[in-house]
Amino acid sequence: QKEVEQDPGPLSVPEGAIVSLNCTYSNSAFQYFMWYRQYSRKGPELLMYTYSSGNKEDGRFTAQVDKSSKYISLFIRDSQPSDSATYLCAMSRMKTSYDKVIFGPGTSLSVIP
Amino acid sequence: DADVTQTPRNRITKTGKRIMLECSQTKGHDRMYWYRQDPGLGLRLIYYSFDVKDINKGEISDGYSVSRQAQAKFSLSLESAIPNQTALYFCATSDSWGNGYTFGSGTRLTVV
Repeated sequence: QKEVEQDPGPLSVPEGAIVSLNCTYSNSAFQYFMWYRQYSRKGPELLMYTYSSGNKEDGRFTAQVDKSSKYISLFIRDSQPSDSATYLCAMSRMKTSYDKVIFGPGTSLSVIP
Repeated sequence: DADVTQTPRNRITKTGKRIMLECSQTKGHDRMYWYRQDPGLGLRLIYYSFDVKDINKGEISDGYSVSRQAQAKFSLSLESAIPNQTALYFCATSDSWGNGYTFGSGTRLTVV
């Protein structure tokens, strides 16, 4: 079993839809959770991070962590064509343990105008 | 200028050749990393460096070496390239406070 699993998609939605992107993980020691967005031919860029369980909102984006289920989600409201990208979840035991950050394989999202 | 610059952007090389990928950053961070990205496998850490005198192996360091020439420069070498090293390679930097990585735009390497 991989430490972090993510549905690769592709996921295709109409503009304005609510998008739900998800990751599951197996290591209960993970406490720091991140979402990166990667456009084609570009490096990933950090969207949001959350520490431990709960929700965090930033504009149209909401990150949600359920540690009891080992499940994290990223919700995108009012999706736009510019949101079309691959979304990577990432996690680690501690906020500063960058040597042990594990990335999911990414979900490809297309938002159709 | 980009915060993290990688050269070359694309490279095709033959099996057995030595190749170097270069990375420089203008963020002023001490920490730098090399990752490899393969379809379906996500990003995997090759090497990382927390300062100029610090080099550490990551998850998949076999067949690779690195050099930290300065705070801003971190290069990755493939001593004798093989076809299964065909991948997208990313350099990244971070601060010491856990505020996420800044990635370069990547080098697409093909070994034939």
